[in-house]
Amino acid sequence: RKEVEQDPGPFNVPEGATVAFNCTYSNSASQSFFWYRQDCRKEPKLLMSVYSSGNEDGRFTAQLNRASQYISLLIRDSKLSDSATYLCVVNPGTGFQKLVFGTGTRLLVSP
Amino acid sequence: SAVISQKPSRDICQRGTSLTIQCQVDSQVTMMFWYRQQPGQSLTLIATANQGSEATYESGFVIDKFPISRPNLTFSTLTVSNMSPEDSSIYLCSVKTGQYGYTFGSGTRLTVV
Repeated sequence: RKEVEQDPGPFNVPEGATVAFNCTYSNSASQSFFWYRQDCRKEPKLLMSVYSSGNEDGRFTAQLNRASQYISLLIRDSKLSDSATYLCVVNPGTGFQKLVFGTGTRLLVSP
Repeated sequence: SAVISQKPSRDICQRGTSLTIQCQVDSQVTMMFWYRQQPGQSLTLIATANQGSEATYESGFVIDKFPISRPNLTFSTLTVSNMSPEDSSIYLCSVKTGQYGYTFGSGTRLTVV
């Protein structure tokens, strides 16, 4: 089983739609969780950290369920510029602050 | 957050040769991380580079193939040695910034022919 699993997509949605991505992780001792965004041929960039209480940043909402080892990202009112690959990222807590990346979920927002 | 300058941005190399990738950070950082992203896949950690000690390699990666230098707190290099077409990937360096964030270099797109 992969340490971090995501549906690769692609998710094709119209502008203005709401879309949700899910991610599961295998290591129950994992300490911190993130969503990164990667545009084509670019490096990943931090979108948001994910906290147990859930957190929101504008149109983006992230949720963490430690009991189910499940992370989600909700994007409301999708924009064309949201088209990218969204990477679920976990710090498994095994030292050196390393990150484990999911394979990413590709989002395509169309006019 | 930190700014990372990574070079080269891309290269095409002959099999059997070696390529050294450099990352320069605009601030001092304790740890630097080197990742590989193979075509169509996500990032895989190669090694963690600490200043003043040998790098720590992840399973499946060895120092002879991917030697790393970390001469000071702002700079690191990764060498891809004795390259084969299977080494064609994007290589990225990364540093931890702040309590939770990580910043990545812009990547080196390597093609081995």
